[in-house]
Amino acid sequence: KQEVTQIPAALSVPEGENLVLNCSFTDSAIYNLQWFRQDPGKGLTSLLLIQSSQREQTSGRLNASLDKSSGRSTLYIAASQPGDSATYLCAPPSQTGGFKTIFGAGTRLFVKA
Amino acid sequence: DAMVIQNPRYQVTQFGKPVTLSCSQTLNHNVMYWYQQKSSQAPKLLFHYYDKDFNNEADTPDNFQSRRPNTSFCFLDIRSPGLGDAAMYLCATSSRNSQYFGPGTRLLVL
Repeated sequence: KQEVTQIPAALSVPEGENLVLNCSFTDSAIYNLQWFRQDPGKGLTSLLLIQSSQREQTSGRLNASLDKSSGRSTLYIAASQPGDSATYLCAPPSQTGGFKTIFGAGTRLFVKA
Repeated sequence: DAMVIQNPRYQVTQFGKPVTLSCSQTLNHNVMYWYQQKSSQAPKLLFHYYDKDFNNEADTPDNFQSRRPNTSFCFLDIRSPGLGDAAMYLCATSSRNSQYFGPGTRLLVL
């Protein structure tokens, strides 16, 4: 059964800082992994999708990496801004070839102006 | 714009009074999901459909039912809501590679 852990649970940084959010998962036989952002009281917004054949995926100031062998993914946010304040969730598939994903509890990020 | 739509955004119901939450999608995706999310917790999968094939999670209470009459629509029925069912309910679709979420319905049980 896939289990997902996200560290840290919460993070507070000053504006402009670069930061790394960590995600680890127990079943490394995954075909992709998705990172989401969730603002308070809202739904989830997809940020990046990494296929198992990729090691990195970039979108603007965001960069996600995937190391299947070690069961880890990281989300790097460059030059953080107050608008980046949200909860970030990591979601690998729950089983090989299935359509279900398992979510980590997320990292709650607060960027201070 | 193609999207996942949830109605209503906020729903208030009384303890024990049946309630139905709605989800529609214009993405024409085969897979649709219902998640329950409580405060500061990860979304918890209740069930998912691949086309009309229904897949219930083992720990989803019998109080929760779902219907998918066609590709575009999916409904979540809570037969007898309890105070513990107050949560955000998220609908999502999938193209196998990526999931797309609706804005959620916040359910309050009085």
